[in-house]
Amino acid sequence: DSGVTQTPKHLITATGQRVTLRCSPRSGDLSVYWYQQSLDQGLQFLIQYYNGEERAKGNILERFSAQQFPDLHSELNLSSLELGDSALYFCASSLTSGPLYGYTFGSGTRLTVV
Amino acid sequence: GQQVMQIPQYQHVQEGEDFTTYCNSSTTLSNIQWYKQRPGGHPVFLIQLVKSGEVKKQKRLTFQFGEAKKNSSLHITATQTTDVGTYFCAGLDSNYQLIWGAGTKLIIKP
Repeated sequence: DSGVTQTPKHLITATGQRVTLRCSPRSGDLSVYWYQQSLDQGLQFLIQYYNGEERAKGNILERFSAQQFPDLHSELNLSSLELGDSALYFCASSLTSGPLYGYTFGSGTRLTVV
Repeated sequence: GQQVMQIPQYQHVQEGEDFTTYCNSSTTLSNIQWYKQRPGGHPVFLIQLVKSGEVKKQKRLTFQFGEAKKNSSLHITATQTTDVGTYFCAGLDSNYQLIWGAGTKLIIKP
């Protein structure tokens, strides 16, 4: 157990639908990062939050949004889902605003859009 | 934009053979981090290199950071089945963002 909790582990939904992925960072970590990993592909950075505020944005689609709550958990909202959104979505956390000491990843949410 | 190129994409080895993956950045990095992702798993932080020319060892794994802080390598001696997975490098740029390599998948031939 890495200490980063992601729910749900698996999600199957239809095209056009909206889903919410949840992440609780490791205790004490203030930054949360969201990544997308398509089948056998690399890690695509989506967005980072630090202590409740958006810190950095990667290649996040306009249909996707995220937020970090006062208790530091984060949610990633994916809407108007397309088949190509099927992927593993990882959340990672770090103590500082930048990953100076490495990330701790959660076990991911596998999203399947049918 | 800044890129970190990682090669090879795949490497097939016999158990007991060595394995090496290389990363090259277009710009100087503040540090470089290495992660391992087992099949079906999530990336796990292995190590971080900060100093120019730094070499660190973890049992059979040797990590190097180049003198110019633009390249790095991971070498595994005498691979074992437990080494199977994808190895990612990630360089920390001047904006304190991680720039990820595409990963090298280590496959052990039966």
